[in-house]
Amino acid sequence: GQNIDQPTEMTATEGAIVQINCTYQTSGFNGLFWYQQHAGEAPTFLSYNVLDGLEEKGRFSSFLSRSKGYSYLLLKELQMKDSASYLCAVTYNTDKLIFGTGTRLQVFP
Amino acid sequence: ETGVTQTPRHLVMGMTNKKSLKCEQHLGHNAMYWYKQSAKKPLELMFVYNFKEQTENNSVPSRFSPECPNSSHLFLHLHTLQPEDSALYLCASSQDRTSGNEQYFGPGTRLTVT
Repeated sequence: GQNIDQPTEMTATEGAIVQINCTYQTSGFNGLFWYQQHAGEAPTFLSYNVLDGLEEKGRFSSFLSRSKGYSYLLLKELQMKDSASYLCAVTYNTDKLIFGTGTRLQVFP
Repeated sequence: ETGVTQTPRHLVMGMTNKKSLKCEQHLGHNAMYWYKQSAKKPLELMFVYNFKEQTENNSVPSRFSPECPNSSHLFLHLHTLQPEDSALYLCASSQDRTSGNEQYFGPGTRLTVT
């Protein structure tokens, strides 16, 4: 199988930093996406990692370790509007995008 | 505005009804996708069209029938659905099927089967 595992729920405080982890099976791995989905809305693209390392985009960063089958999404200076589900998705050799169940993040004041 | 629109946004139908979901993308993309999103489950890929040709049918029951008349439009025809088919149906598009092309999602159709 190609299970994508991520925590179901996380909570954090406004202004804090939160790290959302994602693990996946490495065989046939091509790349890894992170999407954000607010309740009742479409998922929107956040990042794409192919190579090992950290990619930074403003308050959001995404890290990948291909050998460990591990990624994380780092959100800094959390804002209330960051409350959403964060979806980890992996492409394998079939070019199919396999999604995890998503991590629901709640940011409190 | 993501450039991918879906209609209707909400749909309630009985098990004997026939209805269609519509998706349109204004991004000039060549690949389009149907996904099903149920509560507490991962997004499930249903169908993929690349340059108007169906390239993937992810073991979807025949009561779901896709149609792609051109690269900009995608339909999902529904008939004799079951209550467990109630879910959010998301359409997405990407430049093509090349791995690494991000997918742009529509807002989804919330389907309730009674």
